[in-house]
Amino acid sequence: DAGVIQSPRHEVTEMGQEVTLRCKPISGHDYLFWYRQTMMRGLELLIYFNNNVPIDDSGMPEDRFSAKMPNASFSTLKIQPSEPRDSAVYFCASSFVTDYYGYTFGSGTRLTVV
Amino acid sequence: RKEVEQDPGPFNVPEGATVAFNCTYSNSASQSFFWYRQDCRKEPKLLMSVYSSGNEDGRFTAQLNRASQYISLLIRDSKLSDSATYLCVVKGRDMRFGAGTRLTVKP
Repeated sequence: DAGVIQSPRHEVTEMGQEVTLRCKPISGHDYLFWYRQTMMRGLELLIYFNNNVPIDDSGMPEDRFSAKMPNASFSTLKIQPSEPRDSAVYFCASSFVTDYYGYTFGSGTRLTVV
Repeated sequence: RKEVEQDPGPFNVPEGATVAFNCTYSNSASQSFFWYRQDCRKEPKLLMSVYSSGNEDGRFTAQLNRASQYISLLIRDSKLSDSATYLCVVKGRDMRFGAGTRLTVKP
């Protein structure tokens, strides 16, 4: 089992540029979550999908953020245009059943917007 | 009020000490509860689930009090390798994380 795979591990970009983060969930997991972690705000849920369908995107900070899950093995989180305050670690997590199981996290993407 | 509140610490304890972390949550409809561990610059990893009757995993004991909406984690005989941030997690429709309690175990 390869676990949840995220890419890139690190991303440094200039303000105003588009950033795309990628995630491959564990095979067979039907829930996928995008979290953002900062020192100030901790781990925040941005959006989650069930069977590739977005269920709750209320945590997405603003219209600059968008997420897609075109199939069961791939999801993207896009920021356009990026701003320095978007600098954070972005984690993707997946789960088989949401009620009684914890989530498995990927290694995260450390984003720095300068 | 935050959905999940933890004492941020830091807790600095000597090896062999017993240390307890507490957590409160606001959503009475929450269904599942967990403790996660996060090492510096790493992803959170599941430490243990928390069951209503309380549960133990080696040196770790978790307790849940639904009436008080309170969760605890007890670590006995702490090791240097226990140094990490411990995240209290509450699941309703999705998982909500506390800010974490930082533990440093010193020789």
